[in-house]
Amino acid sequence: GENVEQHPSTLSVQEGDSAVIKCTYSDSASNYFPWYKQELGKRPQLIIDIRSNVGEKKDQRIAVTLNKTAKHFSLHITETQPEDSAVYFCAADRDFNKFYFGSGTKLNVKP
Amino acid sequence: DTGVSQDPRHKITKRGQNVTFRCDPISEHNRLYWYRQTLGQGPEFLTYFQNEAQLEKSRLLSDRFSAERPKGSFSTLEIQRTEQGDSAMYLCASSLLTSGTDNEQFFGPGTRLTVL
Repeated sequence: GENVEQHPSTLSVQEGDSAVIKCTYSDSASNYFPWYKQELGKRPQLIIDIRSNVGEKKDQRIAVTLNKTAKHFSLHITETQPEDSAVYFCAADRDFNKFYFGSGTKLNVKP
Repeated sequence: DTGVSQDPRHKITKRGQNVTFRCDPISEHNRLYWYRQTLGQGPEFLTYFQNEAQLEKSRLLSDRFSAERPKGSFSTLEIQRTEQGDSAMYLCASSLLTSGTDNEQFFGPGTRLTVL
């Protein structure tokens, strides 16, 4: 089955700095890669996603890049704000079935 | 609230008891998923349905776990003879999978199970 690894497990940045979270996956057939944000005590919410036929996708301060050859994808958050503090999960999906999640990155944005 | 709902939000039970959780997906969503999340980990797939058909169960899921979605709307997850290792957050998600769409899964708030 698919194996998704995520790092770092914790990330602390100063407000206004950029944050990068990286994930690798093992199944070359995986073709959909969502990123979820989970605030303390709340449900995971999708923040951005990318399909395997696209190398990069941006949405305001958030971007995701995908390298299919290396089987890794990354989340980039620019101009971080305290409200970006949360746990972020990457996931991989093959043919729109179940998600395999990474173990999460706890992002702390210091004001 | 038109999002995914789960009931109960919290459940405390004694080892060996049976528990049942309910998930109400977003209406007209044809896919429904169950995940388990333990502290400090990402959600782990348990099972999923397309309409009323259960399409896949995780190999990690023991025979004590069973899930149903009898009319293709709400779903129940039952755990029989609970063990302390079953303590976790149980998350439900739903999606509308049609031709040309991505499988964006919308999560419920979860049911936190504590087995004493």
